[in-house]
Amino acid sequence: EVQLVESGGGLVQPGGSLRLSCAASGFTFSSYWMYWVRQVPGKGLVCVSRINGDGSSTTYADSVKGRFTISRDNAKNTLYLQMNSLRAEDTAVYYCARATNGCYGYWGQGTLVTVSS
Amino acid sequence: QSALTQPPSASGSPGQPVTISCTGTSSDVGGYNYVSWYQQHPGKAPKLMIYEVSKRPSGVPDRFSGSKSGNTASLTVSGLQAEDEADYYCSSYAGTNNLVVFGGGTKLTVL
Repeated sequence: EVQLVESGGGLVQPGGSLRLSCAASGFTFSSYWMYWVRQVPGKGLVCVSRINGDGSSTTYADSVKGRFTISRDNAKNTLYLQMNSLRAEDTAVYYCARATNGCYGYWGQGTLVTVSS
Repeated sequence: QSALTQPPSASGSPGQPVTISCTGTSSDVGGYNYVSWYQQHPGKAPKLMIYEVSKRPSGVPDRFSGSKSGNTASLTVSGLQAEDEADYYCSSYAGTNNLVVFGGGTKLTVL
């Protein structure tokens, strides 16, 4: 059974940093592109970043480019999102997801990041 | 990439059909047969309901169906049930160098 479990969310001040983790199990982690998708409470879904299987290719939404860094450790079956220079508008539930051809077949339960002073 | 356009709300009575549209461009919805639909109940993660325009994952009731014409995709729920009340999001592949784009979501109410 595919499982994705996020952790690392919490309350952080504007300008601060946070690192999210996503522990994957039930599939060959290194074979899949992985994604971070966020959802502002009460709003829609937005894909913020993706990374290919061996970590050599990454893509970011314009809204987080230069501030967020996606990475993965295939030996630990874990996906990461390092978030720096956080802003109030980064407040959201962050989901990790496994997708193929743009289809997000598997999602974690999400972790809430709140940026506030 | 701009978000796909969905109506903010839709509704129907139990047993009736309802269709939700998702409009994009020739660079996303119209250019690829990789449109997906997700159901999200409050406080829960999204759940995949339709992929590759019209395919249903195992376990999704066959009252859910998808289609596409030009730059517009549609999700139809035939025979609405109370548990279908949720938010629905469409998404589309948008090319090798672009992140997947999502629609803004449609709140489906079962009257």
